[in-house]
Amino acid sequence: DTGVSQNPRHKITKRGQNVTFRCDPISEHNRLYWYRQTLGQGPEFLTYFQNEAQLEKSRLLSDRFSAERPKGSFSTLEIQRTEQGDSAMYLCASSLVPGLAGAYNEQFFGPGTRLTVL
Amino acid sequence: EDKVVQSPLSLVVHEGDTVTLNCSYEVTNFRSLLWYKQEKKAPTFLFMLTSSGIEKKSGRLSSILDKKELFSILNITATQTGDSAIYLCAVSNNAGNMLTFGGGTRLMVKP
Repeated sequence: DTGVSQNPRHKITKRGQNVTFRCDPISEHNRLYWYRQTLGQGPEFLTYFQNEAQLEKSRLLSDRFSAERPKGSFSTLEIQRTEQGDSAMYLCASSLVPGLAGAYNEQFFGPGTRLTVL
Repeated sequence: EDKVVQSPLSLVVHEGDTVTLNCSYEVTNFRSLLWYKQEKKAPTFLFMLTSSGIEKKSGRLSSILDKKELFSILNITATQTGDSAIYLCAVSNNAGNMLTFGGGTRLMVKP
């Protein structure tokens, strides 16, 4: 399967613990995005990378949230000192760079990591 | 700030019915509008629309964009129970660096 993959699929943690999620994008995609989705809402943009550069991070929800994409392939999203309000589905998506080879920006999503903070 | 509003919030129909889902938007430097279907997992891409008045079609699903009135509709004809899902509308600005999603329309198709 050459789609976007995310691990773990589910994570249950206690308040105050740190968690890290991984996303592996579609191999030829150089853009990678993170979104958060809470119940009954559409996904909410958090941050994105083009290759290894993080080009937008002002939408990260607090300084407890950070993301990396060290070699321009997989990415990790870390939440430090988790709070119950962090419980949500964390979605990763990938795309080609808009404008290259006529591409727009269809983003293809992974299955998500569902986080529950107790 | 970019904004997307979808209506109705939810819809219950019977198999064979035709449904129309609505999406209105406000976005600075519009680039494209996208429709996704979400069942119990990640959103699945359906359509991307960039030009007004050109219908995109895939089987029983079709969609059209009106850039003057800032809205799009998604039509599903001859609905089936497998169409039950949340349908999400999203817009992209010209930078193409993020999608702004609406809250979705929850469609339930009863046998």
